[in-house]
Amino acid sequence: DTAVSQTPKYLVTQMGNDKSIKCEQNLGHDTMYWYKQDSKKFLKIMFSYNNKELIINETVPNRFSPKSPDKAHLNLHINSLELGDSAVYFCASSPGQGAYNEQFFGPGTRLTVL
Amino acid sequence: GENVEQHPSTLSVQEGDSAVIKCTYSDSASNYFPWYKQELGKGPQLIIDIRSNVGEKKDQRIAVTLNKTAKHFSLHITETQPEDSAVYFCAALEGYKLSFGAGTTVTVRA
Repeated sequence: DTAVSQTPKYLVTQMGNDKSIKCEQNLGHDTMYWYKQDSKKFLKIMFSYNNKELIINETVPNRFSPKSPDKAHLNLHINSLELGDSAVYFCASSPGQGAYNEQFFGPGTRLTVL
Repeated sequence: GENVEQHPSTLSVQEGDSAVIKCTYSDSASNYFPWYKQELGKGPQLIIDIRSNVGEKKDQRIAVTLNKTAKHFSLHITETQPEDSAVYFCAALEGYKLSFGAGTTVTVRA
C-alpha cells in the first residue's frame, strides 16, 4: 500500500564511502524528486525527474548522482561521502510538473556520516 | 530564484485556541502555494494548497489566505487539537521548483 517508499530508512557510514538510496512510487506519477532536509529542518530540492528526464538539478556537488531507470524509480548515489552530507533525504513524486501537482513524500532516509 | 520566509519558527498554543503561521515570497511569478505538515519521523504531507487566482481557501479547521499584491500567505488552524502538533512548512512554486519556508514547530498544550 505504500505510495512512496525509500530504502534504507537509516544509513550510517564512514567518510569517503559510496552509498545509494533507493526510491519507488506506485502511484503512476510521472515526476519524482529528491530533497535534502538538514538538521534545522530546512527542506531543499536537489533533483527532479519527469518521465526519466532530468528537469531540476540544483547546486548539488557532482558527488551526488541521481538515476531513474524507469518512471517508478529514482535512486540517489553519493560518492566520497562527507560529514556535511549527514541529513534526512526525502524522495517525492507528483502526477506531473508545475502547479496543482501535489507532491507525495516518502518516509525519508536518515544518513549519518561518521 | 524564489525566497520564502516563514514566521514564527516555533508556536505554542493552548488546545482549542487558534494558530497562525505567516509566509512571504519574493518571486511575483510564483503561482501555487502549498502547506505541508511533517510529523516526527515522517515525510511532509500536503494539508492544503492555494492557487494564485484565489484569495482564500478553507478545509474544516484549516484555512489559507493569499495576498498576491503583498506576496503574503498564511495558514490558520482553528480549535487546535494535540494531533495538530507538528512542523508546518509553507512553500511557493516557481516554474517547476517548490521552495520551502524554514518551518514552524507547533506545539498544542493540553
